[in-house]
Amino acid sequence: QSVLTQPPSASGTPGQRVTISCSGSRSNIGSNTVNWYQQLPGTAPKVLIYSNNQRPSGVPDRFSASKSGTSASLVISGLQSADEADYYCAAWDDSLVIVLFGGGTKLTVL
Amino acid sequence: QVQLQESGPGLVKPSETLSLTCSVSGGSISGFWWTWIRQPPGKGLEWIGYVYYSGGTSYNPSLKSRITIAIDTSKTQFSLRLSSVTAADTAVYYCARQEYSSGPVDPWGRGTLVTVSS
Repeated sequence: QSVLTQPPSASGTPGQRVTISCSGSRSNIGSNTVNWYQQLPGTAPKVLIYSNNQRPSGVPDRFSASKSGTSASLVISGLQSADEADYYCAAWDDSLVIVLFGGGTKLTVL
Repeated sequence: QVQLQESGPGLVKPSETLSLTCSVSGGSISGFWWTWIRQPPGKGLEWIGYVYYSGGTSYNPSLKSRITIAIDTSKTQFSLRLSSVTAADTAVYYCARQEYSSGPVDPWGRGTLVTVSS
């Protein structure tokens, strides 16, 4: 059901900067805010970024995000091995009247 | 700090009804949307639906005919019933909270694996 499109995988070496994209449409990203979730192996997802670019307390400023039109991006700077996880974008969809999740991006730190 | 805990059978037979309960502790149940999300093994997240503290609901159209989400404010619990299950409903089921209908999902429960098998 994912109509938010993410790359299935991304990778980088420690210290590098990685960008994960999320592409949607006018009824979701184009009309509503985007949230990003991090799911570490074997754990429940947790919110990483909310309202397009806001970090909850406790989330390092190495994580940042932006939105433009019907697309959004998550940027991880100063990549660390602890950042190996699955990352999901999400947004409310006005047409489907549901929360839509992207298919997820598996980040590997080489 | 609000905490959520899912409970229910880990094994359900095909064609039967999956029933899960989410217990909310450490905070008020009022004023929020209470959400169910699932994740099939090795796959992505799917939003199932939510119930407002006053009882209003919204469901994923792909599951709507089989879902009931209800809330019991006196017990600070909410529940999920999914009928006529098949193997495709095998997943980790998470309960969670949304501050507003289109808001971020936070916090999440730890999740419970439900397997559909005879």
